[in-house]
Amino acid sequence: GAVVSQHPSWVICKSGTSVKIECRSLDFQATTMFWYRQFPKQSLMLMATSNEGSKATYEQGVEKDKFLINHASLTLSTLTVTSAHPEDSSFYICSASNRGGTEAFFGQGTRLTVV
Amino acid sequence: SQQGEEDPQALSIQEGENATMNCSYKTSINNLQWYRQNSGRGLVHLILIRSNEREKHSGRLRVTLDTSKKSSSLLITASRAADTASYFCATEGTGGFKTIFGAGTRLFVKA
Repeated sequence: GAVVSQHPSWVICKSGTSVKIECRSLDFQATTMFWYRQFPKQSLMLMATSNEGSKATYEQGVEKDKFLINHASLTLSTLTVTSAHPEDSSFYICSASNRGGTEAFFGQGTRLTVV
Repeated sequence: SQQGEEDPQALSIQEGENATMNCSYKTSINNLQWYRQNSGRGLVHLILIRSNEREKHSGRLRVTLDTSKKSSSLLITASRAADTASYFCATEGTGGFKTIFGAGTRLFVKA
């Protein structure tokens, strides 16, 4: 299957700082990428959908000014958690699909801990 | 809620037994997928079943889909301790391309 690489796999940051997470499709062009958040022992909650070259579509309740998503190329989307707080500590996972594809491929996830 | 429902929420069985997990969803779908997640790790894609399919097999996995009841089941036969993980169903709706996850079932297989 197609490969999606997410970086970093884990990050610890101080409260108030911003953290950028990258999601790359390595062997296909990802026209659409999705960002999910997962709290401990819970399911994955879709945060936003990003299409290459356009603004991301955020799910209800997700602050777009706090979770900045950029999908500037067909192989890279980034999620920036701005002014992070301890309650933003979570597991963030991206997925990507190609044009006309019917399956999304997931990255390995990023564990964010805000102290 | 954007999520579907899965039951049971947790399941504990002995090695060698079969494990059945169920998933219900709310909207029309293009496909339904099952994933496994080991504690604190990424997702492993197990199987995808399309809306026009009723049953699919992959090794020890058997997935059924009933679109009239908006439900799916995942059967793991002859379970192993290594099957211990959380299992999620995820649906891709017809109205868009988002994949929405169910709440998940935590499976514990005792050796």
